[in-house]
Amino acid sequence: EAAVTQSPRNKVAVTGGKVTLSCNQTNNHNNMYWYRQDTGHGLRLIHYSYGAGSTEKGDIPDGYKASRPSQENFSLILELATPSQTSVYFCASGLWGGANTLYFGAGTRLSVL
Amino acid sequence: AQSVTQPDARVTVSEGASLQLRCKYSYSGTPYLFWYVQYPRQGLQLLLKYYSGDPVVQGVNGFEAEFSKSNSSFHLRKASVHWSDSAVYFCVLSLSNNRIFFGDGTQLVVKP
Repeated sequence: EAAVTQSPRNKVAVTGGKVTLSCNQTNNHNNMYWYRQDTGHGLRLIHYSYGAGSTEKGDIPDGYKASRPSQENFSLILELATPSQTSVYFCASGLWGGANTLYFGAGTRLSVL
Repeated sequence: AQSVTQPDARVTVSEGASLQLRCKYSYSGTPYLFWYVQYPRQGLQLLLKYYSGDPVVQGVNGFEAEFSKSNSSFHLRKASVHWSDSAVYFCVLSLSNNRIFFGDGTQLVVKP
């Protein structure tokens, strides 16, 4: 069974603080993704990676950094968190190619106060 | 430009009734199309996918979808819904260059 685990599940941060969201997958998938989900916007792509050591900007990368130190782990970093980054964040993994299924984690609910 | 449109933000049906959730895509090439379901406080899970062959594809829990190239559509159907089908459903377009486009989702409410 494909598995993607996110931590923490819930996070409260202060404005200007640093936040790191972690994602681990046991699927041996090359591709990993970070999305945020907001009411009325569906899922929007923040950063993605094709493998260890690589990160690419998605559609809304401003204010976020990503790190892929290994095949299994992909982190999303908010260096200076702002209230506008309050959202639910999802990590996903998948193989290369259009026909391949994405496997999602359960999400991290982030509130920036 | 490529995109996915789910015209209904919310659909309410009675338990036991039939269901259709609509999805239109914009892409001139051969699309890979998916339906994912999101239950409360969970990530998205695959319901079904289409990439070639029979335009009607079967998924889990009695769901099916029909691909229409002429209408650029990929509508999701179920003959008889159950209260446990209440969730948000996403239509997704995936391209061979790895670009992925999500619809905004349709919230399904099943009334007892």
